[in-house]
Amino acid sequence: EDKVVQSPLSLVVHEGDTVTLNCSYEVTNFRSLLWYKQEKKAPTFLFMLTSSGIEKKSGRLSSILDKKELFSILNITATQTGDSAVYLCAVGGTSYGKLTFGQGTILTVHP
Amino acid sequence: GAVVSQHPSWVICKSGTSVKIECRSLDFQATTMFWYRQFPKQSLMLMATSNEGSKATYEQGVEKDKFLINHASLTLSTLTVTSAHPEDSSFYICSANGLAGANTDTQYFGPGTRLTVL
Repeated sequence: EDKVVQSPLSLVVHEGDTVTLNCSYEVTNFRSLLWYKQEKKAPTFLFMLTSSGIEKKSGRLSSILDKKELFSILNITATQTGDSAVYLCAVGGTSYGKLTFGQGTILTVHP
Repeated sequence: GAVVSQHPSWVICKSGTSVKIECRSLDFQATTMFWYRQFPKQSLMLMATSNEGSKATYEQGVEKDKFLINHASLTLSTLTVTSAHPEDSSFYICSANGLAGANTDTQYFGPGTRLTVL
């Protein structure tokens, strides 16, 4: 059974801090790893990673995948209160098109 | 691109009634649509996978007679919660993949439907 574990489960920081969110996985036939941000409603897509060592970047957010050690990190620099959300990691593996989600990391950014 | 809508956004119903939730991909044809359930402070739990014109594939432990899924077209899937009970109260989210040029694994999510059964 595919498994995705995120850490920490929650994190509280102040504006301007840099945070690193972790995602480790055990998946048969790994295809891709995705990061989503969920605020009050449904998740919004951030990144999809398929290759090791290639950083994906979007503004203050960046992510990288290590397929040898089976993990990914999501970095957020110069955090803002608008970054407060649940960050979900998901992996595409055994069943084509299906994703297995981690528990999520609740990030709270205080002014 | 990649906009997915859900309707209604919230619904309150009496125990024993049935509720239908619609999921539409507005600007692309969805190869596959997925239905998830999310409890407070928990992650997304996949309920079923649905392809246009064929029967949905349900995850283990999900009652197919209780959660009826119809995928009538490449842009519309519906989830009907039949004979709803208070324990069915939850946040239901659909997603779709198949956006042209995007990886098959990339799912785009609807805004979710909050169901409360009294």
